[in-house]
Amino acid sequence: DQQVKQNSPSLSVQEGRISILNCDYTNSMFDYFLWYKKYPAEGPTFLISISSIKDKNEDGRFTVFLNKSAKHLSLHIVPSQPGDSAVYFCAASALGGNTGKLIFGQGTTLQVKP
Amino acid sequence: ETGVTQTPRHLVMGMTNKKSLKCEQHLGHNAMYWYKQSAKKPLELMFVYSLEERVENNSVPSRFSPECPNSSHLFLHLHTLQPEDSALYLCASSHNGVGTEAFFGQGTRLTVV
Repeated sequence: DQQVKQNSPSLSVQEGRISILNCDYTNSMFDYFLWYKKYPAEGPTFLISISSIKDKNEDGRFTVFLNKSAKHLSLHIVPSQPGDSAVYFCAASALGGNTGKLIFGQGTTLQVKP
Repeated sequence: ETGVTQTPRHLVMGMTNKKSLKCEQHLGHNAMYWYKQSAKKPLELMFVYSLEERVENNSVPSRFSPECPNSSHLFLHLHTLQPEDSALYLCASSHNGVGTEAFFGQGTRLTVV
């Protein structure tokens, strides 16, 4: 049973508009969440994270929102740029251990059109 | 060099071959990981090494054998693999502890023929 789910395999948005990527999780022990971006032929690169004690974390154009009661998080990219086109992975881990021990979602392919 | 480096980037091997994947991190981290990404599947954690000691093996078949000789190097020894083992193998490293992200290498694209 998949503990982290990204139900939208793909998303297409216009340059300058907002991109919203969603992620759901089932394990209530997860309390640290990360978003990674992956270009073809490269490894995932860390984008932004959030601890369960927060409900929002912002870094430039990227904002992650966490709704613990709904076990849902989302990544907002504003404004979207063509260079943001990549696969985005949501990941979760439990604190108290190595946070490199991550459970990943399937990924959402974002295409930003000029 | 900086970051996490994996070699080779691509590998084609027969089912009777023995090969090794290498990972090196230059970030001063003390935990290293092997992940596998198969087509249309999420990244799956295979092994975790913390302070050079294997702390997790996620039910990985014995034809995959990890080795961590020191905190900067991680190997994945492969023998008698199956075609279904063809995948992208990713190495990652991190600091032990709370609130630190894992840094990934570029991966080795493995094809078993």
